[in-house]
Formats: sequence, C-alpha cells, structure tokens
Amino acid sequence: DTEVTQTPKHLVMGMTNKKSLKCEQHMGHRAMYWYKQKAKKPPELMFVYSYEKLSINESVPSRFSPECPNSSLLNLHLHALQPEDSALYLCASSQVVSNQPQHFGDGTRLSIL
Amino acid sequence: QKEVEQNSGPLSVPEGAIASLNCTYSDRGSQSFFWYRQYSGKSPELIMSIYSNGDKEDGRFTAQLNKASQYVSLLIRDSQPSDSATYLCAVMGNEKLTFGTGTRLTIIP
Repeated sequence: DTEVTQTPKHLVMGMTNKKSLKCEQHMGHRAMYWYKQKAKKPPELMFVYSYEKLSINESVPSRFSPECPNSSLLNLHLHALQPEDSALYLCASSQVVSNQPQHFGDGTRLSIL
Repeated sequence: QKEVEQNSGPLSVPEGAIASLNCTYSDRGSQSFFWYRQYSGKSPELIMSIYSNGDKEDGRFTAQLNKASQYVSLLIRDSQPSDSATYLCAVMGNEKLTFGTGTRLTIIP
C-alpha cells in the first residue's frame, strides 16, 4: 500500500473539459511533486512544491495548473488539454526537497479524447 | 543537459542468478542516487537509496556507488520471477530528480 494517495485512478476527458487530479500524503513530508510519464519513458518532472510554495515549474503549459492547499494536499487542475497530454500522472512526496528519496503514489491514468 | 544513462535491455537472467544493472550520470555535483522498480502499468517504487561511495546492502539488493567514475549499479541476488520489472536509476541534482530511461529485467524460471 502506498502512503501517497492519488485520485482518481483513471480519468477520461474531452479537450474542452475541466478536471482536477488530487494527491494526499500523511507522512509529514514538506515537498510534493507532479510528474508525467508516457508509455515506455521515464517520469518527467512537471512541478515541485516546497513548504506549500511552488519552487519549480518545468516550463509546463498553462493548461496544467498546480495548487497546494496545505502541506498534505496537492492538486493539478486540467483545462483544454490536448490528446498528447494523455499519460500517467504521478504525484510524489519527500521529507524536504534535495537529497531525500521521493515516494510515489499509484498515479492517475489520463486519457484525452 | 544533465543526463542519466542506462542500458534499456531487455536483460534476461535465470532464476536464482545475480542480476546486475548499471547507470552512469553526467553531473559530477550529484549527491543522491536512487533505484526504483516499476512494474508494467504501475508507479515507481523506491528500492534503494545511496549517498556515499561504496556498497549498501538491503536484503537481496546491493547498490554500489563510485562518484569518481560517475557510476551507480544495482545487484539483485537470488533473482526471482517477481523481480521482472523495469529498473529506473534516478539522480538528484539542483533539487531535481533525473531518471534514466530504465532497464527492463526479465527473470527466466
């Protein structure tokens, strides 16, 4: 069982829809991350939150909007996505940013019609 | 461009043998190194962390780090069919975790 919980597990949405991915951890970690993983590729970093503040945005298109309401929660708001955005979206957390291992949730498999 | 390189495989190893997975990295300032296991359709699972030169053992797994050669490896002893997965090497630098492309390991019964 993972200690990082992501919902939903699967999401199918049209290009005009708005949806949100949610991530929760109760390990007291102060760093949280969003990654995107395409089939047969490694995870690619999208966003890093450190102490609830956005510290890294890897030039992600504005149709992806992250939010960190508190130290345990991380959201990814989706709007006007493209078919190429279909992927596995992974949330991870670590005690702090830098040198600490990151623990991943089970991911949300997103399909854009 | 900071790079982490792995042989993509597939690497086939008989059950009970030692599987050896290798990784090289380009950023000499990297301080933290991790191995993740990822089953098909699942998320990456942390199996080893290593921070200093030498060997670190955890059960059937041994991670080896050589910072001078910029080389990290993972040995799996007494390989089991359940070890069949993709193994991702990950290197931390500038607060970002960079993954290698992964090595697909198949354990043959």
